[in-house]
Amino acid sequence: SQKIEQNSEALNIQEGKTATLTCNYTNYSPAYLQWYRQDPGRGPVFLLLIRENEKEKRKERLKVTFDTTLKQSLFHITASQPADSATYLCALDPTGTASKLTFGTGTRLQVTL
Amino acid sequence: EADIYQTPRYLVIGTGKKITLECSQTMGHDKMYWYQQDPGMELHLIHYSYGVNSTEKGDLSSESTVSRIRTEHFPLTLESARPSHTSQYLCASSFPQSITGELFFGEGSRLTVL
Repeated sequence: SQKIEQNSEALNIQEGKTATLTCNYTNYSPAYLQWYRQDPGRGPVFLLLIRENEKEKRKERLKVTFDTTLKQSLFHITASQPADSATYLCALDPTGTASKLTFGTGTRLQVTL
Repeated sequence: EADIYQTPRYLVIGTGKKITLECSQTMGHDKMYWYQQDPGMELHLIHYSYGVNSTEKGDLSSESTVSRIRTEHFPLTLESARPSHTSQYLCASSFPQSITGELFFGEGSRLTVL
């Protein structure tokens, strides 16, 4: 069966460091992979999308990589700030139409001073 | 800020009651979705719609029903609520031919059934 794995343990890092979150998947051939941010009690907010033929995508302090051979995406936040503290979800899109995204459980990031 | 609204944000009701969770968007999106999320768990797609009079069930079986009579409105109804329906329900929408394929989510409706 299809499975998406994100580290269920919270990631604690110091302000100014680079946070790296991992999304692994099995039995899946996604066309697109998306990353969302979710704050407690709120709906997810879209951050970045990367296509299967792209290796890397950047947006301001955010960087996403996509390795279809390893079946893994890495999400980096450089120069992290306490305001970056949230849960980050990866979502796989098998068709590239966003019609039936499958979400991971998310990784909680805590950035401390 | 996404223009998608959900009401109520919080609802506590007794078993057996009928409830409707409202979702409206002002972006003219054709595609709309309902996801269910329990604390610390992944979002599960329970219903989606590609446009007016189009509704489909998602990957997670749900006793809820939806309707799509107007483009901007996608309500979810539970005819007889049970404690097992306690969860957070998230509504989302997307452009039909979006370059990014992103979903725009509402703030969610947290339902508690006693």
